[in-house]
Amino acid sequence: QSALTQEASVSGTVGQKVTLSCTGNSNNIGSYAVGWYQQISHGAPKTVMFGNSLPSGIPDRFSASKSGTSASLTISGLQPEDEGVYYCSTWDNSLSAHVVFGGGTKLTVL
Amino acid sequence: EVQLLESGGGSVQPGGSLTLSCEASGFRFSSYAMNWVRQAPGKGLEWVSGITGSADSTYYADSVRGRFTISRDNSKNTLNVHMITLRAEDTAIYYCVVGEKWEPFDYWGQGIQVTVSS
Repeated sequence: QSALTQEASVSGTVGQKVTLSCTGNSNNIGSYAVGWYQQISHGAPKTVMFGNSLPSGIPDRFSASKSGTSASLTISGLQPEDEGVYYCSTWDNSLSAHVVFGGGTKLTVL
Repeated sequence: EVQLLESGGGSVQPGGSLTLSCEASGFRFSSYAMNWVRQAPGKGLEWVSGITGSADSTYYADSVRGRFTISRDNSKNTLNVHMITLRAEDTAIYYCVVGEKWEPFDYWGQGIQVTVSS
């Protein structure tokens, strides 16, 4: 069981806006910035959101927000190439410092 | 352009050891903390270990503490992880990742396969 909770699957049509959620607690999301990582077809993960910042080369249809112990990734204007698995992650300060991941959300573009 | 190239993977028997390396380029390597993240077959991502840019601090997941040792050679822009007493559950693709402690991860390598099997 993952320390961060994500939906197992989300789907949307081309052009639609979709939101993926990530829930943690005060030791992780409540204390640190959240990263969002895209993995397409079992390739290497790629950072699509660094906290609330968009990495270079990532389309501005991606955005992220955080409130308390929950975070979300929003894709506005869904594109076929956005299909893949999305993981959220952050640091956790309970016991020893470590990084926690969500179980991943499979995004399907219909 | 940031490039991270992992090497040293392969197959090893349970109880064996292996050292992975990651050659970095395209950024000031010594200024950035580095991490290893792995992904078991059909599973999600799992953070393994991290090291500060100056190598003055290292940190480990409970699942590998005492068995894995992370290190870096800033003169060669190389990150390493020495793995001993390997178990079947260490079988995974291992990714080299740029990321400061307490911050999200930045750049990811392409990954290298490690298989622990008799």
